[in-house]
Formats: sequence, C-alpha cells, structure tokens
Amino acid sequence: NAGVTQTPKFQVLKTGQSMTLQCAQDMNHEYMSWYRQDPGMGLRLIHYSVGAGITDQGEVPNGYNVSRSTTEDFPLRLLSAAPSQTSVYFCASSYFEDRGQEGYTFGSGTRLTVV
Amino acid sequence: SQELEQSPQSLIVQEGKNLTINCTSSKTLYGLYWYKQKYGEGLIFLMMLQKGGEEKSHEKITAKLDEKKQQSSLHITASQPSHAGIYLCGAFGGSNYKLTFGKGTLLTVNP
Repeated sequence: NAGVTQTPKFQVLKTGQSMTLQCAQDMNHEYMSWYRQDPGMGLRLIHYSVGAGITDQGEVPNGYNVSRSTTEDFPLRLLSAAPSQTSVYFCASSYFEDRGQEGYTFGSGTRLTVV
Repeated sequence: SQELEQSPQSLIVQEGKNLTINCTSSKTLYGLYWYKQKYGEGLIFLMMLQKGGEEKSHEKITAKLDEKKQQSSLHITASQPSHAGIYLCGAFGGSNYKLTFGKGTLLTVNP
C-alpha cells in the first residue's frame, strides 16, 4: 500500500541505549520530516529534509540525528536515549513544490519509552 | 514563528449534539489544514482551506476559513462516537514546507 511506513510501532529502551526509527515512503515525495508528540505540547518538528542529501533542524533537534541518502528513506537516530525522549514519533512526507490538497501524509507512529 | 492556538483544549459532548473547534493563528494564514487522530494512530487528513471565506464539508464535518481574523473553525453536526479523537489544525505560515500544528482538541462523544 502506498504511504508512509514507520517501524517499529513500539519500543522500550534503557537510558543510554541507541536506536534508529525507520521511515520509508513510496510516493516519491521530496519533503520528509520527523515530529514528536507529547501531551500538552502538540506536534513539534525535530528534523526535516527537502531532498536526498539535504537535512535541517526543526524546533527540537537535540539528541537526534537524521540522514537522507535516498528519496524514500529518512531514519531518525537516537544516539544515547534519555527519559525525556519518551514520546510518540511521527514521520511525514509531502511533495515540496506542490503539496496538493492533503499537505503531509503521516505514518502511524512509533511509541517510544525510555526507562 | 507562527503559532496556532486551538480552543477548546478538550470537549465532551453527548451523541447527537453539534460542536465547534477553533484554530487561531498568530500570523497570516497561507492555507490551513485539519487533521484527525485516533488514539494510537497517525494523523488522517480531513480538509484543507486556502482562501478567505472558503468553506468545505466532509460528511458531517464543515470547516471555514476567516482570513481577516486569521482563524478557522471546524463544526461537527449531530456528533457520533466515531467523531471522537484529537483534532489538529496545521498551517505553513511563512515557510512553504514546514507545517506548524496547534496543540490539538480532544473530543469525547458519549453515547
């Protein structure tokens, strides 16, 4: 099915562990982004990319790294997990120039708990 | 940077009642998106408004954009339990690709 695929859906990490959240889209979207969603805080932009080889920081980038080696994939890396990174993470993608009527297409999210 | 304020933060209604959710922007709106999120799921696109005065409907949900007030409203007629969830508004503001979101409105519909 066309869309944005995020893996894993759930993850528990110990403080200090590292992991990569995967995001893949098959719509040939240039733009991809990562958000975190926390109670009372809404969706906050972590990192984004406007095309392969190009990434930039969003509103809350500390503690996260990203890379964009292909148009399809945009992984989010936590180098040393902290309890403050417990959150639900969403990946989203869109066309860069012509977003059409739907803005972003979102993945179903990764629920991360850091203990 | 643009900020979107949603009101109310949460809402509990009885099935069959009408309700309205508002989204007010701190800056000029260049398109306003409404999404719905069910618990544990991703965001589902509802509708997009681009022009002042524009009004769109999808089933029993109607959204309007008031460009002068920098505000959008989402109105649900004859609410049903299936309408329950978090409603979020999003806008691009001055950036043409970074979507900023409101904090969301949690809607509960009691049977």
